[in-house]
Formats: sequence, structure tokens, C-alpha cells
Amino acid sequence: EVQLVESGGGLVQPGGSLRLSCAASGFTFSSYWMHWVRQAPGKGLVWVSRINSDGSRTSYADSVKGRFTISRDNAKDTLYLQMNSLRAEDTAVYYCIRGVNSGGNDLDYWGQGTRVTVSS
Amino acid sequence: SYELTQPPSVSVSPGQTASITCSGDKLGDKYACWYQQKPGQSPVLVIYQDTRRPSGIPERFSGSNSGNTATLTISGTQAMDEADYYCQAWDSSRAVFGGGTKLTVL
Repeated sequence: EVQLVESGGGLVQPGGSLRLSCAASGFTFSSYWMHWVRQAPGKGLVWVSRINSDGSRTSYADSVKGRFTISRDNAKDTLYLQMNSLRAEDTAVYYCIRGVNSGGNDLDYWGQGTRVTVSS
Repeated sequence: SYELTQPPSVSVSPGQTASITCSGDKLGDKYACWYQQKPGQSPVLVIYQDTRRPSGIPERFSGSNSGNTATLTISGTQAMDEADYYCQAWDSSRAVFGGGTKLTVL
């Protein structure tokens, strides 16, 4: 059974940093693209970032480019999102997602999410 | 930047057909996906590559995509289908989601 378990969320002050982790199991993690998507309270889904299977290619939403860094450790079956210079508008539930098919473009399994709150 | 537009809400009676649209410039030239999200739960992929259903998704869910509009159709809608639905496509190596449609079954 595919499982994605996010952790690392919490309350952080504006300008602070946080690192999210996503532990994967039930599939060959090193073979798949992975994504982060966020959802602000009561709002819709917003794509954040993706990384290819070996970590050599990444892409980001304009709203987080230069502040967030996606990475992975295939030896540990873990995906990360390093978030710096956090703003109030980054407050959201962050989902870790497996991508399948060409370019990992179809988001087939979602974790349960970890909540990030940016507030003073 | 690329945008996808969905109606905020759609209502349907049980057993009837629900159609949820998603509009974007030349969307038919891209693949569209659809996700279902029930309150307090993570989204679930229900349609990918315009028309394909992941395993475990009921046959009553179908999709189409042509011109500027992708459509999610739920035939014989059941009470359990009440949820938020999001369309999604890729543009310039970035995923774009529609704003979501709340489907009410009443």
C-alpha cells in the first residue's frame, strides 16, 4: 500500500524557516517524480514544487521560487521541502504527492498533509 | 500566467448527471486531470489524461477535454459524490489548478 506521511509543520514567525519531510513507503520511491501542493485554510489547491526521480530536475511556483527548495533522499525514501523567508501567505496545509506518467504529471497518491502556520 | 476557471458550485439531484466544467486558453491542447476532495480529507485523483480513470474510481466518473473546456461528468450521482472538485493542467512546467467546484447532491 502506497503511503506518504508528512511531518515538520508547525507555527513559525514571519521571516522564519521550516523544513517539511515526507516519508514514503509501499512503492519504489526512487522511480517516481514527487510534488508538494498546498491549501490555505478554506481555499483551493496550489501547486508548489516538483522534483524528478533522481533529484536532478526541479521546478517551482513563482510564489515560492527563491525561498523554497525541494529535495529528496532516495536512500531514505524521503522527500523534503525547505521553506525560508516565510510569509503569512504561506500558511497552509502542505501535501506530499507522488507523480506518475510522463514527467510525473498525474498526482495519484496524496499524503494526509502537514499544517504550516506563519504568524507572529 | 495560465488560469483555469471553474464554477464555484454545482447542484444535482441523486441519480442525475452532474457536469463540472473547467475553462482555460487552449485547454484542449493540454491534458486535464480532476481531483475530488471531501471535507477533512486529502484530494483523490478521479480522472487523468482527460478521460482515464485510476483503478478504484467508479465508472460513473468520466472526463472530456476539447477546445477551451474540460468537463467532469458524474452519471447517476450518489450522495457520496458530494465534494469539492478541482481540475488541473500543466503549463510551462508548472501545475495549475482551477479554483474548485463544490458539488452538492440534494
